[in-house]
Amino acid sequence: ETGVTQTPRHLVMGMTNKKSLKCEQHLGHNAMYWYKQSAKKPLELMFVYNFKEQTENNSVPSRFSPECPNSSHLFLHLHTLQPEDSALYLCASSSLSGGAGETQYFGPGTRLLVL
Amino acid sequence: RKEVEQDPGPFNVPEGATVAFNCTYSNSASQSFFWYRQDCRKEPKLLMSVYSSGNEDGRFTAQLNRASQYISLLIRDSKLSDSATYLCAVNANNNDMRFGAGTRLTVKP
Repeated sequence: ETGVTQTPRHLVMGMTNKKSLKCEQHLGHNAMYWYKQSAKKPLELMFVYNFKEQTENNSVPSRFSPECPNSSHLFLHLHTLQPEDSALYLCASSSLSGGAGETQYFGPGTRLLVL
Repeated sequence: RKEVEQDPGPFNVPEGATVAFNCTYSNSASQSFFWYRQDCRKEPKLLMSVYSSGNEDGRFTAQLNRASQYISLLIRDSKLSDSATYLCAVNANNNDMRFGAGTRLTVKP
């Protein structure tokens, strides 16, 4: 399935590095999301973009910086991360119907290790 | 209290068994409900949406109880391939999807 793609799939970085995660959706959706999934914890919503506009931040540290240049692409820029930021970072997309919540479809994720 | 709670398991069942998972949510304004399946080191994939009237898809049945604020998933005639972690998800509005930590199921021969 290639509805939502993410690159890279694996990333190892030092605490002083700067890297970016990329997400692309091919489903014609107009909302995109970044989630963090740590071991044995629920998925944590980090950022939401509707029609390219950020609508929710959820108090994410500033060392994570999202960018949404259009409704199909989403980036997560990383800098000066901490070891506790090591996790699986998942991108998702959905359509917005204006009514009940729509199903979110996930990309394969980027497994990040911060040394 | 967590927003969405699930029994983490693990549930270890033999092939052919029937197994049920429950999930409770705290936000009474929640509007839509889902079950996702997540295989080891993979992304969550939608298993089924949960409707007020309950719904069935083959061996899988989902129920919603708004009064008690819980959803359930019943798997009949378990297969080895059903082994995975099952996540419930609750959406209060179009963007605010909250997930449980998941229930791990292992189906054994």
